[in-house]
Amino acid sequence: GAGVSQSPRYKVAKRGQDVALRCDPISGHVSLFWYQQALGQGPEFLTYFQNEAQLDKSGLPSDRFFAERPEGSVSTLKIQRTQQEDSAVYLCATGQTTYEQYFGPGTRLTVT
Amino acid sequence: QKEVEQNSGPLSVPEGAIASLNCTYSDRGSQSFFWYRQYSGKSPELIMSIYSNGDKEDGRFTAQLNKASQYVSLLIRDSQPSDSATYLCAASGGYQKVTFGTGTKLQVIP
Repeated sequence: GAGVSQSPRYKVAKRGQDVALRCDPISGHVSLFWYQQALGQGPEFLTYFQNEAQLDKSGLPSDRFFAERPEGSVSTLKIQRTQQEDSAVYLCATGQTTYEQYFGPGTRLTVT
Repeated sequence: QKEVEQNSGPLSVPEGAIASLNCTYSDRGSQSFFWYRQYSGKSPELIMSIYSNGDKEDGRFTAQLNKASQYVSLLIRDSQPSDSATYLCAASGGYQKVTFGTGTKLQVIP
């Protein structure tokens, strides 16, 4: 079956621009996570949804980061006024439980 | 101090040998532990999960957990060049947040 998909796969933004990153989960997966992965590092937790409820957003690095999942399926991670330190791969992972996560291919964001 | 620590490597082993990857964690409340494999330029892929002390085997992979020592390991038997990747250890406290280590790069030499 189809896996987790993310779009766009690559995004180049000028500093100060807003970006929106999309995650399409595997059908039926209630848990959805967003991670940020810098080069040479492990994924860093950003936020977690169970269906449409955002249960944990403790990893969002600043108030410029915002995530939503209004209908409990597709999720969008929005970054306002992008900064160079936001350059990273943004990974979405979904699962039927929180314990087994299936990752999408990621969106590589480069802020110039 | 990171909550999940791994040696960054690279760990080089000859083809056919056993590769041993280690991980320690600092949060004694962690209950669930995972090993992910990540090929260069790709996203992580779950290969093993372990929840109780002892060993768990799946094919060529064995995960070991020692909660008293706060130590998790992954053994890969009969290592193949296709096993060359970065292996990420992760821990969860039973609620939603999963914390990853920085990963150990494994190189299997033909």
